[in-house]
Amino acid sequence: AQTVTQSQPEMSVQEAETVTLSCTYDTSENNYYLFWYKQPPSRQMILVIRQEAYKQQNATENRFSVNFQKAAKSFSLKISDSQLGDTAMYFCALNQAGTALIFGKGTTLSVSS
Amino acid sequence: EAGVAQSPRYKIIEKRQSVAFWCNPISGHATLYWYQQILGQGPKLLIQFQNNGVVDDSQLPKDRFSAERLKGVDSTLKIQPAKLEDSAVYLCASSLLAGGPSDTQYFGPGTRLTVL
Repeated sequence: AQTVTQSQPEMSVQEAETVTLSCTYDTSENNYYLFWYKQPPSRQMILVIRQEAYKQQNATENRFSVNFQKAAKSFSLKISDSQLGDTAMYFCALNQAGTALIFGKGTTLSVSS
Repeated sequence: EAGVAQSPRYKIIEKRQSVAFWCNPISGHATLYWYQQILGQGPKLLIQFQNNGVVDDSQLPKDRFSAERLKGVDSTLKIQPAKLEDSAVYLCASSLLAGGPSDTQYFGPGTRLTVL
């Protein structure tokens, strides 16, 4: 069975600071995809970043970057220059191509001024 | 490009009543997913459609939940009769091409169901 574990239920950071959200996963598959989704209070699940397991290079999207450690089955999200609008629940997720996402329990991130 | 549409946004019903949710995926997206998100947890798959065929419904409580996807476009999810534990947010997602490198799922705003 595939699992995704997020060990930080809540985190807080000041504006303009950097924060890292942790995620570990377990899968016996060789080809898979990893995602970070953001869910603000409006409930709309928004894709933040994705990583293909066969790619060694870590994905980046503007202020968001990941640290993908395949051997350790670790996939952390770094948010640089945090903004108030980053306040949300963040979910780490895993799937194989064409299958449903397996989500972690989420990390609530609060950004304060 | 219009996103995934869902309605209603909120629904409150009494236990043992029935309820239906509607989803319109992004135009051209072949794959459609329904997820259930209980408060404080991550979403979990209920059912996956590829065009108008079911790919995975292994976690759908078939004694009370049903879903269909007519003509491979819109989908409805029904609960009959509802139980207290069905209180959750029901999320619909779609992706362009299941199994392809662009297989990213895009989510709708969800329907929050409260069963009293």
